[in-house]
Amino acid sequence: DIQMTQSPSSLSASVGDRVTITCRASQSIASYLNWYQQEAGKAPKLLIYAASSLQSGVPSRFSGSGSGTHFTLTISSLQPEDIATYFCQQSYSLPRTFGQGTKVEIK
Amino acid sequence: EVQLVESGGGLVQPGGSLRLSCVASGFTFRSYSMKWVRQAPGKGLEWISYISTSGLGNKFDADSVKGRFTISRDDAKNSLYLQMNSLGVEDTAVYYCAREGGYCSGTTCYYYSDYWGQGTLVTVSS
Repeated sequence: DIQMTQSPSSLSASVGDRVTITCRASQSIASYLNWYQQEAGKAPKLLIYAASSLQSGVPSRFSGSGSGTHFTLTISSLQPEDIATYFCQQSYSLPRTFGQGTKVEIK
Repeated sequence: EVQLVESGGGLVQPGGSLRLSCVASGFTFRSYSMKWVRQAPGKGLEWISYISTSGLGNKFDADSVKGRFTISRDDAKNSLYLQMNSLGVEDTAVYYCAREGGYCSGTTCYYYSDYWGQGTLVTVSS
């Protein structure tokens, strides 16, 4: 199975800050990388697919980049409604493994 | 509007069985692969079981549930199922069903979970 590792595990930032979350794959997965947002008590929501494609309806302050084994999710200007846990997931092979999550809080 | 509604969760003793259901609406269910993803209390997401469209007939289970859980679908009822046997305390989690969406560019297709249910809680305890 492909292992996905996210960093940091949690972060605290101020409203308006630029926030970056990193995801690394244990082997090359080309651009087969998705990002999800999960608010407390809710189901995950797809943000980014194919490493950098924004899902319909997702605010443009979210962006994804990377390929191979190194990927990033960036929130260009953190908003209060972005408080959530973010997960990366590889879709290169089955099982489609997730990273352990990054919890984003407001400072 | 796409909707996925899970049911069937509850409290079960170790070694017991449970069957989860997920009813889909708002899209052509038979045209999509589906999966189950679980989340233990305070933990991350774990992808556990996948079923392709009936025409392809593919299934895949994570090692953690292989031989104990069985995924199935009934396209006539727009329903996805997860039969869970030999349950252990480590299976305590919220179980989500999710649709596998996809985007293809040329011969390259990217897959993702674009719609999720609200989840159903399974608690394994004596």
